[in-house]
Amino acid sequence: GQQVMQIPQYQHVQEGEDFTTYCNSSTTLSNIQWYKQRPGGHPVFLIQLVKSGEVKKQKRLTFQFGEAKKNSSLHITATQTTDVGTYFCAVSLNAGNMLTFGGGTRLMVKP
Amino acid sequence: DGGITQSPKYLFRKEGQNVTLSCEQNLNHDAMYWYRQDPGQGLRLIYYSQIVNDFQKGDIAEGYSVSREKKESFPLTVTSAQKNPTAFYLCASSRYGTANEKLFFGSGTQLSVL
Repeated sequence: GQQVMQIPQYQHVQEGEDFTTYCNSSTTLSNIQWYKQRPGGHPVFLIQLVKSGEVKKQKRLTFQFGEAKKNSSLHITATQTTDVGTYFCAVSLNAGNMLTFGGGTRLMVKP
Repeated sequence: DGGITQSPKYLFRKEGQNVTLSCEQNLNHDAMYWYRQDPGQGLRLIYYSQIVNDFQKGDIAEGYSVSREKKESFPLTVTSAQKNPTAFYLCASSRYGTANEKLFFGSGTQLSVL
């Protein structure tokens, strides 16, 4: 199956610091999605990226898709305690494939 | 109130026992999925169904079975052949079943072995 690496696995930050998680694939991707799972909760869709070099923003969250469509990043500016949770990327080679999830990055924010 | 309902929230399985996890959706979605989540790990696909009366194995189907007799329902049975069933099980749905659609998840079932 598709291999997708997500780093780091864990990240502790002080409230107000920035945070970035990366999703890397060895093969060119059709699209990438990002999900957030709060502790004890279920994954919730955040965004989908489709175009090479695409950048999308949602308030303090910035999502990027690499030029080669092999990697992506999620950056949070000035973290808040409400950002706590695990962030997953999910990738696909083409629209006919099922999504493959990365291992997730667990974000912990110290107030 | 539309969404995906999973039950029960917690389930315990005895040695050699089959257990069934329920998943119901009222979103009128064609596709439904079952994922397994182990602590500190990502989601792994067990089975998926893109249409009633049809389903396909995912990456880790061994020891599991499913049925899709109704569009709204996609129950998962964890059989005694699954030797390490303790995990968090998530059901999801999407409108048509293509990988460029977002997934809607239920609240999950935590299965533990007694």
